[in-house]
Amino acid sequence: AQRVTQPEKLLSVFKGAPVELKCNYSYSGSPELFWYVQYSRQRLQLLLRHISRESIKGFTADLNKGETSFHLKKPFAQEEDSAMYYCALSEGDYKLSFGAGTTVTVRA
Amino acid sequence: DAGVTQSPTHLIKTRGQQVTLRCSPKSGHDTVSWYQQALGQGPQFIFQYYEEEERQRGNFPDRFSGHQFPNYSSELNVNALLLGDSALYLCASSLLPGQGGTEAFFGQGTRLTVV
Repeated sequence: AQRVTQPEKLLSVFKGAPVELKCNYSYSGSPELFWYVQYSRQRLQLLLRHISRESIKGFTADLNKGETSFHLKKPFAQEEDSAMYYCALSEGDYKLSFGAGTTVTVRA
Repeated sequence: DAGVTQSPTHLIKTRGQQVTLRCSPKSGHDTVSWYQQALGQGPQFIFQYYEEEERQRGNFPDRFSGHQFPNYSSELNVNALLLGDSALYLCASSLLPGQGGTEAFFGQGTRLTVV
């Protein structure tokens, strides 16, 4: 069975500082990895997926199959990045397995 | 397009009762998945419906059942409610990857409280 681990429940950074959210997974096949974000009072929405290799809102994430990780990074955090972030894994059919989430607070 | 819509937004039920939650998918989507999100946890997959049939199921008891209608909307039913069923229930719609699907879109959720 697949499993997604986000070791940090809370992450607090200063505006302009780098931020990295950790995500590790266990899955025997070739997973598809996602980062979802939930801003205050908004619905869960896709931030990025590893297949597209895009940078969204300055965030990037690289799939490291050797370390089974998919960490999310941004070089300069902004106050609007304060949100709940979930790492998720799919076997390719949108049956998503989510981590417990990391709450990010960006302080001025 | 209103996106994925769920009703009701909040619900309070008593232990032992039954509840029905509803979901309308994003326009053009034919696949609906349901998730349970307990406080402080990530969403957990309950089941997925496609072509009016349950296509996949997570580790949830038979008290959790669902239905998909010809217009792709869906219902989640929970029987014999337990206090532990209190959670946010999320609906997500998508197209399957083979049909060009690229992501799952989520509704705002239904907050169920069992007392």
